[in-house]
Amino acid sequence: GQQLNQSPQSMFIQEGEDVSMNCTSSSIFNTWLWYKQDPGEGPVLLIALYKAGELTSNGRLTAQFGITRKDSFLNISASIPSDVGIYFCAGLDQAGTALIFGKGTTLSVSS
Amino acid sequence: DTAVSQTPKYLVTQMGNDKSIKCEQNLGHDTMYWYKQDSKKFLKIMFSYNNKELIINETVPNRFSPKSPDKAHLNLHINSLELGDSAVYFCASSQSAGTSGRALQFFGPGTRLTVL
Repeated sequence: GQQLNQSPQSMFIQEGEDVSMNCTSSSIFNTWLWYKQDPGEGPVLLIALYKAGELTSNGRLTAQFGITRKDSFLNISASIPSDVGIYFCAGLDQAGTALIFGKGTTLSVSS
Repeated sequence: DTAVSQTPKYLVTQMGNDKSIKCEQNLGHDTMYWYKQDSKKFLKIMFSYNNKELIINETVPNRFSPKSPDKAHLNLHINSLELGDSAVYFCASSQSAGTSGRALQFFGPGTRLTVL
């Protein structure tokens, strides 16, 4: 079945640093999404991407939909302590009925 | 004014018991989902319902059965609970119309199920 490979698995950074994480797949996805999950909470949508090559920002977050439709990245600039959490990439499956998630990137920010 | 709510937040039960988790959304969406998050935080789709019709059913045991009394609710019933069912279960909802509608899924806070 379709799978998403997300990296890195975890990151430990200092407050103020920029962060980059990415997601790749062997199959094409027509929609890419990035979610953040805080401890004890459900995933919250950060950015949705619908077109190959699309670059979208949400505050300090920027995400891009790869030209090949097989990858996406998320950048966080000037990280702050509240950026701590697990970031998931997700794509809508080929049937267009459910999300397939990457395994997540756990971000730790020290002040 | 919670968009997607689930009850209970925590559920601890013995192996072999039958339990239910409830989910409600007030977003006016017509599609609802159940996802399972394992101990390694991997999220995987279990079911989705659109207009009271099951439209996907991943390879989950038939001990799990989703029930939707109306389009604002999708409950998850689990029979004969096993140790391996311990996980966090998330409900989500979206619109069904168009790719963007289906992609924009809003998640509930999760139900942590522990089977002893």
